[in-house]
Amino acid sequence: KAGVTQTPRYLIKTRGQQVTLSCSPISGHRSVSWYQQTPGQGLQFLFEYFSETQRNKGNFPGRFSGRQFSNSRSEMNVSTLELGDSALYLCASSLAPTGGGELFFGEGSRLTVL
Amino acid sequence: AQSVTQLDSQVPVFEEAPVELRCNYSSSVSVYLFWYVQYPNQGLQLLLKYLSGSTLVKGINGFEAEFNKSQTSFHLRKPSVHISDTAEYFCAVSRRTDSWGKLQFGAGTQVVVTP
Repeated sequence: KAGVTQTPRYLIKTRGQQVTLSCSPISGHRSVSWYQQTPGQGLQFLFEYFSETQRNKGNFPGRFSGRQFSNSRSEMNVSTLELGDSALYLCASSLAPTGGGELFFGEGSRLTVL
Repeated sequence: AQSVTQLDSQVPVFEEAPVELRCNYSSSVSVYLFWYVQYPNQGLQLLLKYLSGSTLVKGINGFEAEFNKSQTSFHLRKPSVHISDTAEYFCAVSRRTDSWGKLQFGAGTQVVVTP
């Protein structure tokens, strides 16, 4: 069974640009969450989607957005990139948002903003 | 609001020795508790979780953790570590009223196992 797939794995952008990251969950999983990992702030929750609806959102500015498609694939977008957006962005999927399920993480997309 | 404190940022340990990673949490509501591991250049993998019931939880790769409600702790232990246990370990909580995908993580503990 294929795991969570994130693309691209590495990317470099410059300040002011925007970026879109993609996440394909494990087949059958309908819930997708996104996390930002940085050395200074650690792992921080960005948002969670289930059945194309955002269920939760973390404390990030509006430049960070996401969506989920009918096939459960998800994308997140960061507009007007800042140096501080350099991070590893992790996507996780689960069968459903409740009920004791496990989160399965992808290997992440490492974003460097110059 | 809740918070998670991992008391050690780095734990050096010799191969075949025991290891304990400490995690304390605070929350005004009931929570679920987790330990995740992150190997270099990889995502996170669930080691174990506490939802309810027995306070001693056994996970993968020989790890176990004990939930202590009075001390609000959820320490992770392994009686004998291997070189392959070198990784970063994260304690996490989620409120029982929140959906499953919203976790609050501790800062992580880097475990370095040497021969």
